[in-house]
Amino acid sequence: DAKTTQPTSMDCAEGRAANLPCNHSTISGNEYVYWYRQIHSQGPQYIIHGLKNNETNEMASLIITEDRKSSTLILPHATLRDTAVYYCIVSHFSGGYNKLIFGAGTRLAVHP
Amino acid sequence: ETGVTQTPRHLVMGMTNKKSLKCEQHLGHNAMYWYKQSAKKPLELMFVYNFKEQTENNSVPSRFSPECPNSSHLFLHLHTLQPEDSALYLCASSSQGTQTYEQYFGPGTRLTVT
Repeated sequence: DAKTTQPTSMDCAEGRAANLPCNHSTISGNEYVYWYRQIHSQGPQYIIHGLKNNETNEMASLIITEDRKSSTLILPHATLRDTAVYYCIVSHFSGGYNKLIFGAGTRLAVHP
Repeated sequence: ETGVTQTPRHLVMGMTNKKSLKCEQHLGHNAMYWYKQSAKKPLELMFVYNFKEQTENNSVPSRFSPECPNSSHLFLHLHTLQPEDSALYLCASSSQGTQTYEQYFGPGTRLTVT
């Protein structure tokens, strides 16, 4: 299963864009990149996923490099409520479901 | 109720007790999951059920016993637990069949074993 590498922690000022990087150099051609976040002691929340094209939804944008070895999650206007641990995951599809291997993630602190 | 619900939200049990955690999803999904999140550790997948059939048991000790009576309900039966089993237990659900379905998580049950 492909592994991911993320910074342990990041800071962001409220109202600014938060750019969270992720390396996944061993990703296979048919594996997707998923992003989840977990606000303190709650269940993880799905944010966005992509294969090779850039994706955008109401929460965030996902930029995947052309070689697919890294990606960046962008929160365009961070708020205090975006303070959370952000997980970048390469999903492994097997047995009819996506196997998500969570790492330590990036702890994002948004400050006033 | 919407989404994925879990009960109880908090549970304290002794090592000789038997208890059960319940998960219910209201999303029409057919795959359900149990995860464990210990302090300062990443989430660990424990069990997966697809259409009520267990498809993954991630080397979980037998003192944890899952049950999936239908595609909307998932239980985790607990007996003779150890203090190191204290953790946040999370349930998730998803549609099944393709690689693009995301998992939706419940709020978790905070378990303390004394």
